[in-house]
Amino acid sequence: AQSVTQPDIHITVSEGASLELRCNYSYGATPYLFWYVQSPGQGLQLLLKYFSGDTLVQGIKGFEAEFKRSQSSFNLRKPSVHWSDAAEYFCAVGAYNFNKFYFGSGTKLNVKP
Amino acid sequence: DGGITQSPKYLFRKEGQNVTLSCEQNLNHDAMYWYRQDPGQGLRLIYYSQIVNDFQKGDIAEGYSVSREKKESFPLTVTSAQKNPTAFYLCASSIPPGRGTYEQYFGPGTRLTVT
Repeated sequence: AQSVTQPDIHITVSEGASLELRCNYSYGATPYLFWYVQSPGQGLQLLLKYFSGDTLVQGIKGFEAEFKRSQSSFNLRKPSVHWSDAAEYFCAVGAYNFNKFYFGSGTKLNVKP
Repeated sequence: DGGITQSPKYLFRKEGQNVTLSCEQNLNHDAMYWYRQDPGQGLRLIYYSQIVNDFQKGDIAEGYSVSREKKESFPLTVTSAQKNPTAFYLCASSIPPGRGTYEQYFGPGTRLTVT
């Protein structure tokens, strides 16, 4: 069965520190992978996506993610976190010609001053 | 600006009443989706539609109904049969899968509280 696991429910980092949010997926076909960010009480905003090609993808707000097929992972990274990055982050997987996205349960990021 | 609007942002209803949540998009997307979000559970798909006058059940369709009479609109009705309707509801749209990179664009959400 298809699934997405975000093993960290909450993460706290200091402003200026680096960040890595983990995402593991289980999917039988070649996955399309996404990271979204959600501020409290708001909708989701797409940070980046991977469909094919270079396994290191760049997104908005200085985020990047690396697709590792051997590890079934698509971890999100940022070299230096800003206080405005505090939000909830969701990893999602889909596939070509397939209607459903599968979302992870989310990771809440707290940024310490 | 193109985007997705959901109204209202907050909605309060008494138990036993049906309630309809609005979702409108001007992105010219064929596909539209409804998700339910509960704390710690991510997003769960309620219904989706790839084209006007057609829609399919998602993973948690029981107690919900939808219509797709116009490309721009995909209203969701939460019926009295939904046992736990209090939640945050998100609408999304995309180009249909199979036509390219089909990331979903989300509206701002509607928080429904049923007492």
